[in-house]
Amino acid sequence: QQPVQSPQAVILREGEDAVINCSSSKALYSVHWYRQKHGEAPVFLMILLKGGEQKGHEKISASFNEKKQQSSLYLTASQLSYSGTYFCGTEAGGTSYGKLTFGQGTILTVHP
Amino acid sequence: GAGVSQSPSNKVTEKGKDVELRCDPISGHTALYWYRQSLGQGLEFLIYFQGNSAPDKSGLPSDRFSAERTGGSVSTLTIQRTQQEDSAVYLCASSLSYGQFSGNTIYFGEGSWLTVV
Repeated sequence: QQPVQSPQAVILREGEDAVINCSSSKALYSVHWYRQKHGEAPVFLMILLKGGEQKGHEKISASFNEKKQQSSLYLTASQLSYSGTYFCGTEAGGTSYGKLTFGQGTILTVHP
Repeated sequence: GAGVSQSPSNKVTEKGKDVELRCDPISGHTALYWYRQSLGQGLEFLIYFQGNSAPDKSGLPSDRFSAERTGGSVSTLTIQRTQQEDSAVYLCASSLSYGQFSGNTIYFGEGSWLTVV
């Protein structure tokens, strides 16, 4: 099942903060975050693994609540370059391991 | 190669024709994924490969869609008797390995933009 992202869209001024949420109805092994700019391929931001390990860019932070099957991406002091569509991808267990299912995306627009 | 390579980058085809989309993953990556993205939509999972086998084909929209991977490397997604609703960007991605707790980064190609007229 597809994870649910919220909000669907965010509009910010440069320097403002934003939080993007991702929730799943399934037990998760990992959550992946990507950003996609118009007409380009999605670009990796971060992976959060069950057990607390994280891999990603230093300027991006995120959390993963394993009990609630929820993850949040924190964008602080936003820059114009942060604009794009953010996708979370979730990897569930059982026969679904290795399969990454993406949410519908959150459109982030940063204005000067 | 340096990144995931997809071809063609753009394809316009007539309704009813067959198309083949190719994906060349990053060298050494054993996992390969196909996703579809319609205009303004999210990433729709189609199929993924572990080596040459595809443990999950549940995302393929219909029996007109098929995919194969040979030699643990190049993959081809074939769409037979294309329909207008097949118009989308088809994204291929690869990762170093697969399995539970893999936590491996998935790298996307630039996509193949398919337009069915």
